[in-house]
Amino acid sequence: DTAVSQTPKYLVTQMGNDKSIKCEQNLGHDTMYWYKQDSKKFLKIMFSYNNKELIINETVPNRFSPKSPDKAHLNLHINSLELGDSAVYFCASSQDRVENSPLHFGNGTRLTVT
Amino acid sequence: AQKVTQAQTEISVVEKEDVTLDCVYETRDTTYYLFWYKQPPSGELVFLIRRNSFDEQNEISGRYSWNFQKSTSSFNFTITASQVVDSAVYFCALSEAKIGETSGSRLTFGEGTQLTVNP
Repeated sequence: DTAVSQTPKYLVTQMGNDKSIKCEQNLGHDTMYWYKQDSKKFLKIMFSYNNKELIINETVPNRFSPKSPDKAHLNLHINSLELGDSAVYFCASSQDRVENSPLHFGNGTRLTVT
Repeated sequence: AQKVTQAQTEISVVEKEDVTLDCVYETRDTTYYLFWYKQPPSGELVFLIRRNSFDEQNEISGRYSWNFQKSTSSFNFTITASQVVDSAVYFCALSEAKIGETSGSRLTFGEGTQLTVNP
C-alpha cells in the first residue's frame, strides 16, 4: 500500500564506500525527486526526473548519480562516501500533469558515514 | 531567488492552546504555490496544504487553518486546541509555477518550526 517507498531505512557505512538507495512509487506519478535533509533539518532538492529524464540537477557533487530505469523508480548511487554525506535522504514524487502538484515523500533513508 | 523564512525555530505550548506558525516568503514570480508539510518524530514528511498565489482565501480544515496574505508575503498556519499528537516539525515551502511545462515542483523549504505540545 505504501505510495513512495525507499530502501533501506537506515544505512551505516564507512568513508570511501559506494552505496545505493532505492526508491519506488506506485502512484502513477510522472516526476520523482531526491531531497537531502541535513542535521539541522534543512531540506534541499538534489535531483528531479520526469519520465526518466533528468530535469533538475542542483549543485550536487558528481559522486551522487541518480538513475531512473522507469518512471516509477529513481535510485540514488553515491560513490566515495564522505562524512558530510551523513543526512536523511528523501525520495518524492508528484503528478506533474497537475500543475505544481504536491510532493508525496517516502519515509526517508538515514545515511550515517563513519 | 526564492526564499522562505520561518523565524520561529521552536515553539512549546500546553495542550488545548492555540498556536500560530509563521511563514514569510520572497519570490519574484507573480504566480507561485505555497505548501505546508508536517514531519512528526517518526520522520516522514506529510503534505498538509497547497495554495496558489491567486487564491487568498483563508482555509480551514478541522483544527488547522491557514492565513495567506499576499500584501505581507505571509502564509501562516494556526492549530486550534493543540494536541500532543501535533508535536512535530512543520515546514513551509514555496514553488514557482511551471505552467505548460513538465518540469516538476522545485520546492524551496523554510528551516522548519519545531512544535512541542505538552500535556
